[in-house]
Amino acid sequence: DGGITQSPKYLFRKEGQNVTLSCEQNLNHDAMYWYRQDPGQGLRLIYYSQIVNDFQKGDIAEGYSVSREKKESFPLTVTSAQKNPTAFYLCASNARWGGTSNQPQHFGDGTRLSIL
Amino acid sequence: QKEVEQNSGPLSVPEGAIASLNCTYSDRGSQSFFWYRQYSGKSPELIMSIYSNGDKEDGRFTAQLNKASQYVSLLIRDSQPSDSATYLCAVSQAGTALIFGKGTTLSVSS
Repeated sequence: DGGITQSPKYLFRKEGQNVTLSCEQNLNHDAMYWYRQDPGQGLRLIYYSQIVNDFQKGDIAEGYSVSREKKESFPLTVTSAQKNPTAFYLCASNARWGGTSNQPQHFGDGTRLSIL
Repeated sequence: QKEVEQNSGPLSVPEGAIASLNCTYSDRGSQSFFWYRQYSGKSPELIMSIYSNGDKEDGRFTAQLNKASQYVSLLIRDSQPSDSATYLCAVSQAGTALIFGKGTTLSVSS
């Protein structure tokens, strides 16, 4: 079945530690996204990538880094510079942007990150 | 700053009633509009997408778009307790990332 796989489901970070969240998709989608969701809040865009080897900062990129070496994979690293990392992290993807409309995004099951 | 506004709720309706969820957006250039449903602790699930003014129906769901008023709504007919969730409105221009509202919490009582 095609879909988006995020791992791990739960992750704990120690003070000063970098952690990496995995996102893999087998939908052959060109664009991939990372969002952060805090309790009672909407989704805030961290980074997005339209094609391999290219990505752009979203609204809250500080303290995060990404790579897009393969079309299927878009890992997110939460660095020690992110002082408040506790949140629900969601990865999404959609088909290539084109024409006047965007294709809808589809989401993985998310990763919950907490500080130890 | 491009914004998408939703009433946070909770919106409470009895089982079998029509639930009406509303969303306004600030960017007049927006061309793609989506409604997602998110159950507590889960990831968002796409319910409807709409791109043209007017109504779009899919089962018990109807999305309505009015670009002149910068307004998009979602109607849920014959509401069921299983519809109880947070509904997220998302908007974008072509070639840009989605901007999400904070969501409206719907509670359907049996």
